[in-house]
Amino acid sequence: EAQVTQNPRYLITVTGKKLTVTCSQNMNHEYMSWYRQDPGLGLRQIYYSMNVEVTDKGDVPEGYKVSRKEKRNFPLILESPSPNQTSLYFCASSLQPGRYEQYFGPGTRLTVT
Amino acid sequence: GNSVTQMEGPVTLSEEAFLTINCTYTATGYPSLFWYVQYPGEGLQLLLKATKADDKGSNKGFEATYRKETTSFHLEKGSVQVSDSAVYFCALSEEWASGTYKYIFGTGTRLKVLA
Repeated sequence: EAQVTQNPRYLITVTGKKLTVTCSQNMNHEYMSWYRQDPGLGLRQIYYSMNVEVTDKGDVPEGYKVSRKEKRNFPLILESPSPNQTSLYFCASSLQPGRYEQYFGPGTRLTVT
Repeated sequence: GNSVTQMEGPVTLSEEAFLTINCTYTATGYPSLFWYVQYPGEGLQLLLKATKADDKGSNKGFEATYRKETTSFHLEKGSVQVSDSAVYFCALSEEWASGTYKYIFGTGTRLKVLA
């Protein structure tokens, strides 16, 4: 089954404790992206990766890191989480960026206390 | 900068009513436009899209037309069902720097359909 998987689905952590949210797709997609969803703000792009060689910041990259060492995986890293990073996070992928559909993972609900 | 503006919800309709959710955008070039739907507890899934001016996207009875002159992409459905209750997001994709693309989403419109 073609899908984007994220882990964990739920995470409660404390301020400053490094964490990684994994994202994997099995569709051989070039483009991958991370979003956060907050009430009243919709989805905002954190980072995106055009392919394994090109990764760039989205609109809200502060406090996040990503890596794209292989095509299928695109982990999101929070080196020192803070309460303002409490949010619902989605990973997405598409064959190519632009006019192609994005496929979204099921989401990771993160709470930082 | 580029942006997507959607009508605020929630929108509450009776079953079989006509639905319109407004979406307007600002962009410097020629974006592709999308409507995504999010059911409770799930990720977003594509509802329809249009990639150039005057294109009409359609799916599951929903329609939207890419209007460059009014920079709009309004979502419509002639007769909604209870199962259409969800959050709807308008989005655009545009080339940002040479060869790179960014996506911008609206804030989402919650639709509730009553039986």
